[in-house]
Amino acid sequence: SYVLTQPPSVSVAPGKTATVTCGGHYIGSKSVHWYRQKPGQAPVLVVYDDKDRPSGIPERFSGVNSENTATLTISRVEPGDEADYYCQVWENSGEVLFGGGTKVTVL
Amino acid sequence: QVDLVESGGGVVQPGRSLRLSCAGSGFIFSVYGIHWVRQAPGKGLEWVAGMSYDGNNKYYADSVKGRFAVSRDNSKNMLYLEMNSPRADDTAVYFCVKDRGPSIPVTVTSGMDVWGQGTTVTVSS
Repeated sequence: SYVLTQPPSVSVAPGKTATVTCGGHYIGSKSVHWYRQKPGQAPVLVVYDDKDRPSGIPERFSGVNSENTATLTISRVEPGDEADYYCQVWENSGEVLFGGGTKVTVL
Repeated sequence: QVDLVESGGGVVQPGRSLRLSCAGSGFIFSVYGIHWVRQAPGKGLEWVAGMSYDGNNKYYADSVKGRFAVSRDNSKNMLYLEMNSPRADDTAVYFCVKDRGPSIPVTVTSGMDVWGQGTTVTVSS
């Protein structure tokens, strides 16, 4: 079945830019959603349909999706952005898949 | 305020059954797809099952297909997950999650924008 590959961890200094990738075969043909999960909390949708943000999510969060990689970019990183980030797609079979998650650490 | 509240978690013996419930409020429940997503201790997110807005379409992860059953009662704003023949690897926090869209086959998920706080299921003898 379809596999989504994320790096286990990404480290970034405050004020810099964090990039979280999500690899998949021709993922550019799918809609990708991104979630942020802080310890002990439920996940929060931060980007849907590759690049759109739900209300309340700052413009610092952006997404792109092309060919075999989808990317979540967090600009001007703040300490509060430290969390696990997951990408998600759905398959024509009806199955929904999550990537393995990326832990973003703010140095 | 849009909210989802899960209940029914607990300790269940392998092979016994358990039913999880999810109560929705603050939105038109019958318009949106709803899913169950779980997270085993220290692990990532795993989608378990989903259902379209009208209950006509049900979707399952391969890991639970044939063992779990999802249902909904739109008159009561309720979603259910019947866990039959649970195994130790079903131990997890189970989240009830609202979809942004109707979860029809042409778009199973448009993104999951409201999450409950989760209910813990432990499968152990």
